[in-house]
Amino acid sequence: DTAVSQTPKYLVTQMGNDKSIKCEQNLGHDTMYWYKQDSKKFLKIMFSYNNKELIINETVPNRFSPKSPDKAHLNLHINSLELGDSAVYFCASSPGLAATDTQYFGPGTRLTVL
Amino acid sequence: GQQLNQSPQSMFIQEGEDVSMNCTSSSIFNTWLWYKQEPGEGPVLLIALYKAGELTSNGRLTAQFGITRKDSFLNISASIPSDVGIYFCAGRNFGNEKLTFGTGTRLTIIP
Repeated sequence: DTAVSQTPKYLVTQMGNDKSIKCEQNLGHDTMYWYKQDSKKFLKIMFSYNNKELIINETVPNRFSPKSPDKAHLNLHINSLELGDSAVYFCASSPGLAATDTQYFGPGTRLTVL
Repeated sequence: GQQLNQSPQSMFIQEGEDVSMNCTSSSIFNTWLWYKQEPGEGPVLLIALYKAGELTSNGRLTAQFGITRKDSFLNISASIPSDVGIYFCAGRNFGNEKLTFGTGTRLTIIP
């Protein structure tokens, strides 16, 4: 059983389109995250939700909108896709917000904007 | 913002050799973590460090939390082919949910 799963694994789309990436965790965790990994492999947090409430919102363009319908799901919707949005997007979850709570990462979604 | 620099950026070693890599920060962290990422996968936690000076092992891996709280080190002994991947350090402060990741060290094992 996959602990943190993401769909799709690969996403190729044209500039200007709107797309969504879905994330689900079956670990019973309260906290979920979205990270972006660029072509140089640099990982940076984008958003974090705790019990469906947004707690971290880094300086991400407002074309990116996360949505958490329940604690087990955190989806990422991206409007008006740009070339610079091409990256690998990782979802992660942790039991809660304690410093000792490990973050478990999903397999990633590779987004390519043409 | 805080930045974590890892060195070396990449390593090419022969199977059986020991590996050392480090991570330095412009400011202090209360928690240091080491992750490994394999191709096509997300990062996986290897070792977590919660106290300055702490030395923790996980099999052939040993990591240390620097005394200044601005650095951490990871050593891998007797490397094997499955050690190939990108190793990331990450820092976190109490009361802050955010993980700040390092720039990564890519490890390649030469047969």
